[in-house]
Amino acid sequence: GIQVEQSPPDLILQEGANSTLRCNFSDSVNNLQWFHQNPWGQLINLFYIPSGTKQNGRLSATTVATERYSLLYISSSQTTDSGVYFCAPRGDNNDMRFGAGTRLTVKP
Amino acid sequence: NAGVTQTPKFQVLKTGQSMTLQCAQDMNHNSMYWYRQDPGMGLRLIYYSASEGTTDKGEVPNGYNVSRLNKREFSLRLESAAPSQTSVYFCAIELDRQGAYTGELFFGEGSRLTVL
Repeated sequence: GIQVEQSPPDLILQEGANSTLRCNFSDSVNNLQWFHQNPWGQLINLFYIPSGTKQNGRLSATTVATERYSLLYISSSQTTDSGVYFCAPRGDNNDMRFGAGTRLTVKP
Repeated sequence: NAGVTQTPKFQVLKTGQSMTLQCAQDMNHNSMYWYRQDPGMGLRLIYYSASEGTTDKGEVPNGYNVSRLNKREFSLRLESAAPSQTSVYFCAIELDRQGAYTGELFFGEGSRLTVL
C-alpha cells in the first residue's frame, strides 16, 4: 500500500503564527484528504484535494500529485486549531492510507 | 458527523467475549468503511463495503467480521476479543454524487473499545 509520511510530527505555535504541514506519499494517488482530529477525537474534513490548491478561510491546501506531496497551510493560528492533522491519500486499489499525523498545539 | 451514527460509543470487554459495533447512515451512499485508530497513530482500514451485500478486506482484517445487509447499515463484529483489539473504531461513508463515487470520506464520532 501507499506509504505516507507527515512532517513535522509535533508543532507548537503561539496564537497568531502561521504554519505549513507537509505530507509525502510513495505512489500515484486518485485523491487525497486532509482531516483535523480535535481534542475530543472527532475527525473533521478539511479538504478533499487530489490536485491543485484550495482555500477555506485561514486554511489552504496544495497537492502536487506528480511530485507526490501535499501541503496544508494554517494562517493566524487560533487555540481551536489545536489537535492532530492527518493526510490520507488514496490509490487505485481503493485503499485510503493515513499518515501518523502532525500534532499541533497552539498556545494563547 | 455527516449523518454517520456509531453505537455503542464506549464498551469494555473481557478477553474472549464477542460484540458487534453498529454503524448507520441517514443518507443513501453506497460505500461504507470501518477503521481502527491506535494511540498516537493514524487510522487503518479494517474492512469496507462498496455496495449493499459486498465486503472487502482492508489493511488489518484479522479478528474481525463485517456485515452489510442493507444500504444503510454496516456492522463490525469481534467474535473473540483480544487485548490487541483495544482501539477507537471509526465508521465512514464515501460521498456519492449523482451516483458516482467521489473518493471523499466522512467519519462517525468513533467507538472506544477496551479489551481487558
